[in-house]
Amino acid sequence: EAQLVESGGGLVHPGGSLRLSCAASGFSFSTYWMHWVRQVPGKGLVWVGYINSDGSETECVDSVKGRFIITRDKSRNTVYLAMNSLRAEDTAVYYCARSATGYYYGLDVWGQGTTVTVSS
Amino acid sequence: DIVMTQSPLSLPVTPGEPASISCRSSRSLLHSNGYNYLDWYLQKPGQSPQLLIYLGSYRASGVPDRFSGIGSGTDFTLQISRVEAEDVGVYYCMHPLLTPTWTFGQGTKVEIK
Repeated sequence: EAQLVESGGGLVHPGGSLRLSCAASGFSFSTYWMHWVRQVPGKGLVWVGYINSDGSETECVDSVKGRFIITRDKSRNTVYLAMNSLRAEDTAVYYCARSATGYYYGLDVWGQGTTVTVSS
Repeated sequence: DIVMTQSPLSLPVTPGEPASISCRSSRSLLHSNGYNYLDWYLQKPGQSPQLLIYLGSYRASGVPDRFSGIGSGTDFTLQISRVEAEDVGVYYCMHPLLTPTWTFGQGTKVEIK
């Protein structure tokens, strides 16, 4: 069964850094794009960014561009979200999700989420 | 960037009755390959989002056939033929086109009357 498990969330001061991990299992990791989606408590979903299947392409929303970096490690079947210069407005639950390359089947597997709190 | 607008934002429903949610895109989501790049997701209370519909009208694996997606171009609708109590939660539409980013709608909260 395909599974994604996020980790690395926690409390960080404004201006600080944090790296989230998303460990994949039960599927061929290298054939999927991986995405990060966040949700401020009580608010809607926001797509943060993605990395393509071989790690050669990434894209992020403007609000995190230049501060967040998405990478992947095929040997560990893990995707990372490195977050720098964190702000209070980055406080959210962060989910990772996958989408297939080739034919598109939606974001069909999601993790359980990891909580990031940016506060002094 | 493409803007996704859902309506209504809140939808009280009666079990056994039909329900529908609208999603409008600021640009056409009809790709040159003939597919509409529009997904629907449901986030049940306390859970991660789950995929319901992809490419406008294709039900994801395990999704009950009471859920259906219709529409093309800029106007889409999620229909529930007969609402069940387990369908409560927040429904989101999303466009999966790198223009350059993907975008969710604001969400529609469905609750039992």
